[in-house]
Formats: sequence, structure tokens, C-alpha cells
Amino acid sequence: DQQVKQNSPSLSVQEGRISILNCDYTNSMFDYFLWYKKYPAEGPTFLISISSIKDKNEDGRFTVFLNKSAKHLSLHIVPSQPGDSAVYFCAASAGGTSYGKLTFGQGTILTVHP
Amino acid sequence: KAGVTQTPRYLIKTRGQQVTLSCSPISGHRSVSWYQQTPGQGLQFLFEYFSETQRNKGNFPGRFSGRQFSNSRSEMNVSTLELGDSALYLCASSLDLRRLAYEQYFGPGTRLTVT
Repeated sequence: DQQVKQNSPSLSVQEGRISILNCDYTNSMFDYFLWYKKYPAEGPTFLISISSIKDKNEDGRFTVFLNKSAKHLSLHIVPSQPGDSAVYFCAASAGGTSYGKLTFGQGTILTVHP
Repeated sequence: KAGVTQTPRYLIKTRGQQVTLSCSPISGHRSVSWYQQTPGQGLQFLFEYFSETQRNKGNFPGRFSGRQFSNSRSEMNVSTLELGDSALYLCASSLDLRRLAYEQYFGPGTRLTVT
């Protein structure tokens, strides 16, 4: 049972344009969501997070949107840069003492073309 | 501030052997979580330790175990290795203070190959 899904295995974008990565979840207990960027043979790098009490969080070029009723979140990268090319994972955790347990999606490969 | 460190970075073991991996969290971080990444299953949660106690556990067999020391450093152990245990093992730490951010910061991982 895949509780966090990233339905697009890959996304290709031109430099300077917007990249939109999507993620759906099924577990209504999830209340904290995160996005990570990963290069092969390296650990994931934290990008941005959002709590379920918010519907938007921004950090520089990265914005995460959360739609709780649809159980959907998205990551917007504006403007996209070639250095953003990597695998992007969304992750979720439940509340209480479960914040240390992240459930990850399968990842989306983002390619930004110069 | 130094990041999460993991040792060793690469390891080759034979089926049936056991292995111990080590993780040093970011200074001041109290929670340490372990994950396994494989091409087929993606990133899967193994367990989490907080204040030397296992607080959360994933769906892995009992051959996978861990512990945390008083300085928050953590080790994970895999006994009776199987070929399917070949993976990138990732450790992550978080500050874990109530009402503050719970983001986890990952180390570079240990690449385990079982032959």
C-alpha cells in the first residue's frame, strides 16, 4: 500500500520556466510534509517543508502548496535552473511521536535544459 | 556546523555475515532515523531512535536492529546478511523540538553490497 505517490516518474523543463512537481497521499494522519532533492549515491537534501495548518510555504525559488481536502501537495520551482536537475522526493509524517518516521514517494526525475 | 556523518561509506560483505553501520547526527539533534534505499522499493523507513529509545519501527525483519548512545550517535546492525540487503543505508537526524520544524537532515549513506 503506497501511502505517498508521485505519479510522474520524470519532468523536463526549460531553464527559466516553472517546474511543478506533484505528490498525492492517502493517509489522513499525515500532518507534516517535506520535499527533498537527491543526486545518485548521495543522501537526500532537505528543500522545504509544510505543516498541515498551512496551505503554502515559500523559501526563495521554492514554494510548496498543500491541499488537504484533495490530499495533494506540489512543489513549484521558479525560475528553474540546470543545477536543479535531480530526483525530487516528497515525504510525509504523522503527528505525535511519529515525526521521525518519514514515508517517501517514489521520486520524480527533474531535468532542466539550458 | 558539521552535517550528518556515516561510516563506512562503502562495504562489501558475504551472505550470512553481519554488519554494523555508524551514524553521527548533527550536533544538538536528538532524533536519529535510518532508511534503506533500493531501486525496487525506494526509500523505506527502518527505525527511529530518540533519547536512546527506539521510538518508531518500520516493517523490516528482526535481523535489522539499532541503538542510540547517550551522545545521540547511532548504530544499526544487520545479522545473517542476504543478497536482498544490498542497498544504500541512510541515516537522518532532526532537532525534534515540539512546535518547531521536524525536518530530517540526511547523511551521505553507506553503500552495502552483499555477495
